[in-house]
Amino acid sequence: RKEVEQDPGPFNVPEGATVAFNCTYSNSASQSFFWYRQDCRKEPKLLMSVYSSGNEDGRFTAQLNRASQYISLLIRDSKLSDSATYLCVGDTGRRALTFGSGTRLQVQP
Amino acid sequence: GAGVSQTPSNKVTEKGKYVELRCDPISGHTALYWYRQSLGQGPEFLIYFQGTGAADDSGLPNDRFFAVRPEGSVSTLKIQRTERGDSAVYLCASSLRAWGTEAFFGQGTRLTVV
Repeated sequence: RKEVEQDPGPFNVPEGATVAFNCTYSNSASQSFFWYRQDCRKEPKLLMSVYSSGNEDGRFTAQLNRASQYISLLIRDSKLSDSATYLCVGDTGRRALTFGSGTRLQVQP
Repeated sequence: GAGVSQTPSNKVTEKGKYVELRCDPISGHTALYWYRQSLGQGPEFLIYFQGTGAADDSGLPNDRFFAVRPEGSVSTLKIQRTERGDSAVYLCASSLRAWGTEAFFGQGTRLTVV
């Protein structure tokens, strides 16, 4: 079983829609989590960090559920520019960041 | 430049050859990571340096892969006797410190073994 698992998608949504991605992790020692965004043929870039209380940044909300070992990313009012692959990342505190395979989002006009 | 720099951006090599991939991290970042990414997959961890030492090399697939960071800054990933299965994008990232801090990625080296 992979340490970090995501639904690969693609998620095809119209502009203005709300879309949510979930990610599960197997290592209960994971201390912190992140969502990275990766555009086609580009490097991953940090979208937001996710801590125990979760957090919100504009149209983006990330939540952490330690009991069920999953994190989520909610995108409200989707824009065409949100089209990308979203990578769920866990940090066990023992080694480097562990990435999921990514969830592809395609926002359509 | 202020970002992570990787060279070359593209490398085509013949099966069996030796290659070196270079990463120049952000100045002052003590943690440096190498990842490998294949099409449709997330980055796969290879090795992590804290300063000059390899803190975790458990992701290196076999002994053909080796990485160094002799002065705690620039790192080189070395692949001996390349195989077609080594073809991927090799990503380098650095962060101010380990554990829970943002990692900044370079644009990667696209390695093609023919």
